[in-house]
Amino acid sequence: AQKVTQAQTEISVVEKEDVTLDCVYETRDTTYYLFWYKQPPSGELVFLIRRNSFDEQNEISGRYSWNFQKSTSSFNFTITASQVVDSAVYFCAPMGANTDKLIFGTGTRLQVFP
Amino acid sequence: GAVVSQHPSWVICKSGTSVKIECRSLDFQATTMFWYRQFPKQSLMLMATSNEGSKATYEQGVEKDKFLINHASLTLSTLTVTSAHPEDSSFYICSARLDRGPLPNRREQYFGPGTRLTVT
Repeated sequence: AQKVTQAQTEISVVEKEDVTLDCVYETRDTTYYLFWYKQPPSGELVFLIRRNSFDEQNEISGRYSWNFQKSTSSFNFTITASQVVDSAVYFCAPMGANTDKLIFGTGTRLQVFP
Repeated sequence: GAVVSQHPSWVICKSGTSVKIECRSLDFQATTMFWYRQFPKQSLMLMATSNEGSKATYEQGVEKDKFLINHASLTLSTLTVTSAHPEDSSFYICSARLDRGPLPNRREQYFGPGTRLTVT
């Protein structure tokens, strides 16, 4: 079974600041996937990234970057030069390779102030 | 691509009545869909996995007879909350998984916009 901890309940930053959202996961699977989703105030979840456990390369997509550290079971998400539109709840979710189930963390509410 | 819709987006019903929520994959086939429930300021909790042409698989603690799921086609799953009560008021979200493509891609779930249910 998978378990995930997002220790930061809420983060507030001012626009243009960088912010890192932490995600620590537990799994007994040797192969697994890690996901990040964004849930803006409208409620709809937006897929951000899928990372496979066998691919430890970090990834950058525009202002977003992800740091996957298998040794510490962490998959942290950094937003560079944050914007007000980044305000949302962000969920980290692991998934075992042999299951379809996403196990959502408690989420981190990010508020970006102008 | 990979758009999922839900209908209705919000519904208010009286205690004791039943409410049906639809989840559609608009531009792809989805043999497997998922239903989640989210209470205010909380995480998403998986309720059940909906499989086209077969019975849904419910998570522990979810009442099958209360939350009826029907996945009658490759693009439509429905969740019926039977005899709804105020404690069933919540945000219900569905997701759909791609049937085609590389295996890792088929692990991605695409979410609908959610349905806010209020039972009075």
